[in-house]
Amino acid sequence: LAKTTQPISMDSYEGQEVNITCSHNNIATNDYITWYQQFPSQGPRFIIQGYKTKVTNEVASLFIPADRKSSTLSLPRVSLSDTAVYYCLVGEVNYQLIWGAGTKLIIKP
Amino acid sequence: DTAVSQTPKYLVTQMGNDKSIKCEQNLGHDTMYWYKQDSKKFLKIMFSYNNKELIINETVPNRFSPKSPDKAHLNLHINSLELGDSAVYFCASSQTQGYNQPQHFGDGTRLSIL
Repeated sequence: LAKTTQPISMDSYEGQEVNITCSHNNIATNDYITWYQQFPSQGPRFIIQGYKTKVTNEVASLFIPADRKSSTLSLPRVSLSDTAVYYCLVGEVNYQLIWGAGTKLIIKP
Repeated sequence: DTAVSQTPKYLVTQMGNDKSIKCEQNLGHDTMYWYKQDSKKFLKIMFSYNNKELIINETVPNRFSPKSPDKAHLNLHINSLELGDSAVYFCASSQTQGYNQPQHFGDGTRLSIL
């Protein structure tokens, strides 16, 4: 089983780019990486998903190096409303879902 | 229209009682999940159903029993509630049971055991 490790917390300022890295050393060949965002009193919300290299959508980018042992969620020009907990998830081919412990991101003015 | 809805939103009860949490999704998804989120925000998957069939059954006490009357509903019944059951319980759904399927979550049921 893959194990995911991510920083417990991070701080940044409005307008900055924020990168949150998740380590998943035991990721298997066909496993997928997904990131979720969670605000207080809400359920997690899907942000982005990838298998390798780089994926970009309207809210974030996901960078996955060739060895796939880590992934980095990149949030461009953050605002106060990006303050949330961000989770990394490795979805395994055998349908196991390995969630990280979450990174609490605090954006300051 | 709420895609994944859970009831109740809050549940306060005493130790030893039996309670149920209901979940419904209107996304037409085949797969539904129950998660437990503790006070440290760690998400733990408990169960997953695909087309009313149990596919993931993690190590949880057998006091927890999921029931899926149809693929749009997944309820969670908890017997003999204990203090350690206090947590937020999330229901989620995905298009299929694939390991790469994005999940849609409800807003949680906050269970407090007195």
